[in-house]
Amino acid sequence: QKEVEQDPGPLSVPEGAIVSLNCTYSNSAFQYFMWYRQYSRKGPELLMYTYSSGNKEDGRFTAQVDKSSKYISLFIRDSQPSDSATYLCAMSGGDSSYKLIFGSGTRLLVRP
Amino acid sequence: SQTIHQWPATLVQPVGSPLSLECTVEGTSNPNLYWYRQAAGRGLQLLFYSVGIGQISSEVPQNLSASRPQDRQFILSSKKLLLSDSGFYLCASRTAGASDTQYFGPGTRLTVL
Repeated sequence: QKEVEQDPGPLSVPEGAIVSLNCTYSNSAFQYFMWYRQYSRKGPELLMYTYSSGNKEDGRFTAQVDKSSKYISLFIRDSQPSDSATYLCAMSGGDSSYKLIFGSGTRLLVRP
Repeated sequence: SQTIHQWPATLVQPVGSPLSLECTVEGTSNPNLYWYRQAAGRGLQLLFYSVGIGQISSEVPQNLSASRPQDRQFILSSKKLLLSDSGFYLCASRTAGASDTQYFGPGTRLTVL
C-alpha cells in the first residue's frame, strides 16, 4: 500500500463548477500538508500549505485536513479553464521530515 | 521567495553518453536541495537530497549520482545513460528550519535514445 493515495483522474468539469480533489494517507505522523499545481511540461507550483488539521482558504482555493480520517482535500470554487492542470498532494512529518511524500497527482480538465 | 534555476531545459542524449544537469537557487541560504524524476503520467520519485555542501543522500540505487559543490548549487550526473533514465528531472529547494514546503524549478526534460 502506498503511503499517499490519490485518484489519477482525469476529472472533467464544466467551467464554474466546484472541484473537489482528495488524498488519503496512512502515516499518522504526517503534520504538514501541501497542494501543488503542475501544468504540462512545467515544474510543480505550490498552491496551499496547511499545518495539522483544519481549513485554509486562499481566494478560490480551500484546503482541508482531517487527521482523524487521514484525508485531505482541495476545493476549487468557480473553476476556470486555466485551472486545467495536474494537482499533486504532498505531506511530511515524523521520520520523513526532510522529505515530502507525494501523491501520484490528479489530472483536472475544466471545459469552457 | 526562492527562485530555482535549472538547465538545460531539454536534452536529447544517446545511450551510453554522460549527463550533467545543473540546479542553482536564489533567495535563500543553506537550503535543503532535492532531485526528483517524473516519468510521463507518473508521480514524483525522489532521487537524492542534500542538507549541506558535500552531503548527499541517495533514495534509490540507480545509474545516477549527485553532488553539491556550493551551498546553492546541486548537480545530477551520470557516466553512462540508459534508456530508462529518460524523464522529467526536477530540482527542489527547502529553507532549512522553516516549514517543510519545497519549491520547484522549471525542470529538465531528458530523452535518451
